[in-house]
Amino acid sequence: KAGVTQTPRYLIKTRGQQVTLSCSPISGHRSVSWYQQTPGQGLQFLFEYFSETQRNKGNFPGRFSGRQFSNSRSEMNVSTLELGDSALYLCASSLWINTGELFFGEGSRLTVL
Amino acid sequence: QKEVEQNSGPLSVPEGAIASLNCTYSDRGSQSFFWYRQYSGKSPELIMSIYSNGDKEDGRFTAQLNKASQYVSLLIRDSQPSDSATYLCAVNIKGYGNKLVFGAGTILRVKS
Repeated sequence: KAGVTQTPRYLIKTRGQQVTLSCSPISGHRSVSWYQQTPGQGLQFLFEYFSETQRNKGNFPGRFSGRQFSNSRSEMNVSTLELGDSALYLCASSLWINTGELFFGEGSRLTVL
Repeated sequence: QKEVEQNSGPLSVPEGAIASLNCTYSDRGSQSFFWYRQYSGKSPELIMSIYSNGDKEDGRFTAQLNKASQYVSLLIRDSQPSDSATYLCAVNIKGYGNKLVFGAGTILRVKS
């Protein structure tokens, strides 16, 4: 059974640009969550999608957005990039909502210059 | 005060010993508790979940939960060098779907 797939794995952007990250969940999993991981702040919740609807949102500015498609694949977008957005962005899938049992992808490492 | 607190470590134990990792949380609405393991350069992986007070054992791992004290722990018996990793405590609050609040993690080093 294939795991969670995230693309791209690494990317470098400059301030002011925007970026789109993609996530394909484990087959059959309907919930997709996104987390940001940095050395200073650790793992922080961005948002969760289930059945194409955003179910929960973390404390991030509106520059961070996401969506989920009918096949459960998800994308997140960060607009007007700032240096502080440099981080590992992790996608996690779960069979259902409210399980807390997350399966993480390998992440997308974003560097903002 | 952080919502989920862990001692950052590193916690060093000799091979074969018991490693004890601790975590406290502040939100009494927390309903589910998890331990994730993260190897350096890798993504977190779920190793234990616990939902009710008491102990839950899975192989060499035992999770302990005390909701009155708002305390979660993970015991690793017969520690192996391959257990060396960062252990993340995570809490799920009722009504917030799969939103997990993670602690900063405890670095465990098992010395052979």
